[in-house]
Amino acid sequence: RKEVEQDPGPFNVPEGATVAFNCTYSNSASQSFFWYRQDCRKEPKLLMSVYSSGNEDGRFTAQLNRASQYISLLIRDSKLSDSATYLCAVTLNQAGTALIFGKGTTLSVSS
Amino acid sequence: NAGVTQTPKFQVLKTGQSMTLQCAQDMNHNSMYWYRQDPGMGLRLIYYSASEGTTDKGEVPNGYNVSRLNKREFSLRLESAAPSQTSVYFCASSEEVPYEQYFGPGTRLTVT
Repeated sequence: RKEVEQDPGPFNVPEGATVAFNCTYSNSASQSFFWYRQDCRKEPKLLMSVYSSGNEDGRFTAQLNRASQYISLLIRDSKLSDSATYLCAVTLNQAGTALIFGKGTTLSVSS
Repeated sequence: NAGVTQTPKFQVLKTGQSMTLQCAQDMNHNSMYWYRQDPGMGLRLIYYSASEGTTDKGEVPNGYNVSRLNKREFSLRLESAAPSQTSVYFCASSEEVPYEQYFGPGTRLTVT
């Protein structure tokens, strides 16, 4: 089993739709979790951290399920500008360790 | 505040040539990282530096060397480029906690 897995998609949705992505991780000792957004031919940009209690930022909601070892990202009222690849990342939070990224899920929002 | 900067943005090398990719950050972060990104492979860690003066291998270190020149700068060197090193290279930096990483704009390298 790969350390961090995502459904590659693509997810093709109309404007205004709600879409959800899941990301599973294999190491139960993982401590911190993030969602990144990557536009075509650009660098990944931090979208949001994922907290144990779940967190929301506008139309975006992130949740963590430690028991089942997955994190999710919910996008409500999708916009054309949400079209991108969404990467999840996890880390052990130990000094000297790095983030482990999933391969990303591609979202395409159409009018 | 420029964040993470990388030079060059694009580079074409012939097999066997060498080059150094430069990365600098102005966020006073302790940790810095080099990744490569290939279609279908996702981001793969080449080397990282948890703090000034230390470097460690990541998932795919073969064919690369790194230097943590000071707290701001972390360079990646290809001693003898191979076509398999054709990729997009990203540098990133983070504080130790909570390990959120911030990426530079990338270097697109083609080895012919």
